[in-house]
Amino acid sequence: DIQMTQSPSSVCASVGDRVTITCRASQGISTVLVWYQVKSGRAPKLLISAASTLHTGVPSRFSGSGSGTDFTLTISSLQPEDFATYYCQQAYSFPVTFGQGTRLEIK
Amino acid sequence: QLQLQESGPGLVKPSQTLSLTCTVSGGSISISDYYWGWIRQPPGKGLEWIGGIHYTGRSIYNPSLMSRVAFSVDTSRNQFSLNLNSVTAADTAIYYCAGYITSSGWFDPWGQGTLVTVSS
Repeated sequence: DIQMTQSPSSVCASVGDRVTITCRASQGISTVLVWYQVKSGRAPKLLISAASTLHTGVPSRFSGSGSGTDFTLTISSLQPEDFATYYCQQAYSFPVTFGQGTRLEIK
Repeated sequence: QLQLQESGPGLVKPSQTLSLTCTVSGGSISISDYYWGWIRQPPGKGLEWIGGIHYTGRSIYNPSLMSRVAFSVDTSRNQFSLNLNSVTAADTAIYYCAGYITSSGWFDPWGQGTLVTVSS
């Protein structure tokens, strides 16, 4: 199985801050990398696919980059609604695997 | 737009079978490019893909759970289901249903999740 490792596991930040989350794959996955936003009691939301393609309706303050084994999710200017847990996911090979999540908390 | 909603018991006894159903609304479950899948999140842990089923009945599984998992689909009701047998406390989790788009590799949409606790 391909292991996905996210860092940090949690981060405290303020509204307006720029935040970067990293996801590393245990082997190369090209750009077959997806990012989700998860809030308690809500349906998880697809943010970015193919490592850098913003999903329909996702604000432009979100961006993704990377290929191979190293990927990043950046939020350029945090808004109150962005405080949530973020997960990366690879679909390069089965079984599909997720990172362990990065919890973004208000400072 | 497609919406998914999980339903089923919130409490299951150890050694019994966990059964959940996901109802798809806003469109047909009979979409060739979709597998209808299940993902879970144990308390304090990350997401784990369980597997999924195509409307034709073809299934895909996470090998780690394959021996205990069965999927079914009911196209007349626009529903698909998960059965996980011989459950233990380690199966306590939020269970999400989601559509998996095979050509793209992502899950969208998702249900809001349902907490299932395994306890006597």
